[in-house]
Amino acid sequence: GAVVSQHPSRVICKSGTSVKIECRSLDFQATTMFWYRQFPKQSLMLMATSNEGSKATYEQGVEKDKFLINHASLTLSTLTVTSAHPEDSSFYICSAKTSGGAETQYFGPGTRLLVL
Amino acid sequence: KQEVTQIPAALSVPEGENLVLNCSFTDSAIYNLQWFRQDPGKGLTSLLLIQSSQREQTSGRLNASLDKSSGRSTLYIAASQPGDSATYLCAVLGSGDKLTFGTGTRLAVRP
Repeated sequence: GAVVSQHPSRVICKSGTSVKIECRSLDFQATTMFWYRQFPKQSLMLMATSNEGSKATYEQGVEKDKFLINHASLTLSTLTVTSAHPEDSSFYICSAKTSGGAETQYFGPGTRLLVL
Repeated sequence: KQEVTQIPAALSVPEGENLVLNCSFTDSAIYNLQWFRQDPGKGLTSLLLIQSSQREQTSGRLNASLDKSSGRSTLYIAASQPGDSATYLCAVLGSGDKLTFGTGTRLAVRP
């Protein structure tokens, strides 16, 4: 159990276009989902936390108008990178957990974004 | 602000060696600490999770310890194998459900 999927696994796009990444909890309801970014040979950095039905909370330095997060249901959160630029190229990983408190986060397999 | 550091940054050992990876964190007010494995270009695989009230956890050839008061954790890998080659990340769960990741240790086990 506790499987999280991401789609697509890999995407290449032109500079200036928008890209949507989906994160789904397949066998549980995720009240909270997290989005992380990982640059090459670096660790994961939390971008934002989203709770179902409410606005996402962004970490300092993350532009909320550039990285749009929607958590419309208990099994789906989406991250849209708007007007992507080459510096947005990165590995994006989501995680999900079931309820409040110190519950385990379950991680998706990640999405590799390359902006040309 | 929580900061998590892992030492060494990279490690290369011959097959069969026992090895220790280190993780330190600056804020001891954590709920748990978790060790992950990440293969190149892939997502995270959870290896061990230690609750703040626990001292250690074991799974197969892996043993993780936690000394919350001193802000340290170690991951012990016994009888290393080439298949253990990966990046190992530790992460601590703090207030606000925030998981802060360490800088990672890239492990290479030579046949």
